[in-house]
Amino acid sequence: ELKVEQNPLFLSMQEGKNYTIYCNYSTTSDRLYWYRQDPGKSLESLFVLLSNGAVKQEGRLMASLDTKARLSTLHITAAVHDLSATYFCAVANAGGTSYGKLTFGQGTILTVHP
Amino acid sequence: DSGVTQTPKHLITATGQRVTLRCSPRSGDLSVYWYQQSLDQGLQFLIQYYNGEERAKGNILERFSAQQFPDLHSELNLSSLELGDSALYFCASSVFVATGELFFGEGSRLTVL
Repeated sequence: ELKVEQNPLFLSMQEGKNYTIYCNYSTTSDRLYWYRQDPGKSLESLFVLLSNGAVKQEGRLMASLDTKARLSTLHITAAVHDLSATYFCAVANAGGTSYGKLTFGQGTILTVHP
Repeated sequence: DSGVTQTPKHLITATGQRVTLRCSPRSGDLSVYWYQQSLDQGLQFLIQYYNGEERAKGNILERFSAQQFPDLHSELNLSSLELGDSALYFCASSVFVATGELFFGEGSRLTVL
């Protein structure tokens, strides 16, 4: 059974600082996704990582994937208050044709304060 | 706006009752997925339909069922409701093959009293 673990689960950051969220998963997969969720809202797709070594950047966020280590990271550069949200990584089950059957991590609640 | 529409947004009902949640996928997307988000279980995959046919099943209770209609909208039926069924139910859609990226609706918040 695929398990996905994020850490930390809670992250309180000062504006302007850098930090990394880690996502480890237990079985082989080459498809990993990062989503953002604001309180009581929907999930917004941030990154789609489809191969070993994939790196994607958007604004102050950068995501990478190491399929051999079964690890993805979400790096936050010079945090701003608008980044406060819950961030989820999700891994697609390997094999089969249902790539949308995702296993989500627990989520990391990020709070950025002045 | 992801283009995925869910109704109702909020629903309050009593234990033992039955409810139906509705989802319209993005234009052109053939796959629909249902996910449940609760405080104790997190985000869990329930079921997937592709062009009207069930394609994958997750941790969906026997009291729950879903279907996808010819116009591609989907319904999730929850019956004999229990307090523990209170959750946010998300529908998502995708282009079937491509990247597998899912686009989520705003969710239906179900409260069972």
